[in-house]
Amino acid sequence: DAGVTQSPTHLIKTRGQQVTLRCSPKSGHDTVSWYQQALGQGPQFIFQYYEEEERQRGNFPDRFSGHQFPNYSSELNVNALLLGDSALYLCASSFEGVGETQYFGPGTRLLVL
Amino acid sequence: DAKTTQPPSMDCAEGRAANLPCNHSTISGNEYVYWYRQIHSQGPQYIIHGLKNNETNEMASLIITEDRKSSTLILPHATLRDTAVYYCIVRPHNQAGTALIFGKGTTLSVSS
Repeated sequence: DAGVTQSPTHLIKTRGQQVTLRCSPKSGHDTVSWYQQALGQGPQFIFQYYEEEERQRGNFPDRFSGHQFPNYSSELNVNALLLGDSALYLCASSFEGVGETQYFGPGTRLLVL
Repeated sequence: DAKTTQPPSMDCAEGRAANLPCNHSTISGNEYVYWYRQIHSQGPQYIIHGLKNNETNEMASLIITEDRKSSTLILPHATLRDTAVYYCIVRPHNQAGTALIFGKGTTLSVSS
């Protein structure tokens, strides 16, 4: 049973560019949450998708947007990249109907130069 | 902000029990205690969760005080591979759309 997968594993971008990160949830899961983890900090919640809609959002600007597809996979898009967007981006999946324990993927390391 | 307080770091000898404390004095009646750990540069790994009764699984045991204001995660026989940052999180269970609010966690160092 495959767990949560994310791609790419690492990415280097320059300021002002746009980036798209991808996440495939654990088999049987229908909800995807995205987190940003800066160096030395705990993960911070960006937003959550369920039934292809953004259901909850953390304190992140509109430059951060997402999408969920009918197969429950998800994308995180960040526009107009800033140096401060350099971080580990984590995707977590859960099943709406059973307690919502979230299981995390390995993350995508983004470096903005 | 995180609703939990954890010591920033702890040390444990290999083979001994590691007891990681967590204070959550403002926990609500419908909130569970969750524990995750994060080994360097990997995604957080779910360990265990509980409401008010003690819980045990293949990874760890969770002891929650009767007043639910604190808890302890117990790794019964710590190994070098248990070296990680451990996060204690409180959140409603079975409530749609609830994010995990992480604090800084406890860095557990297991040494031989």
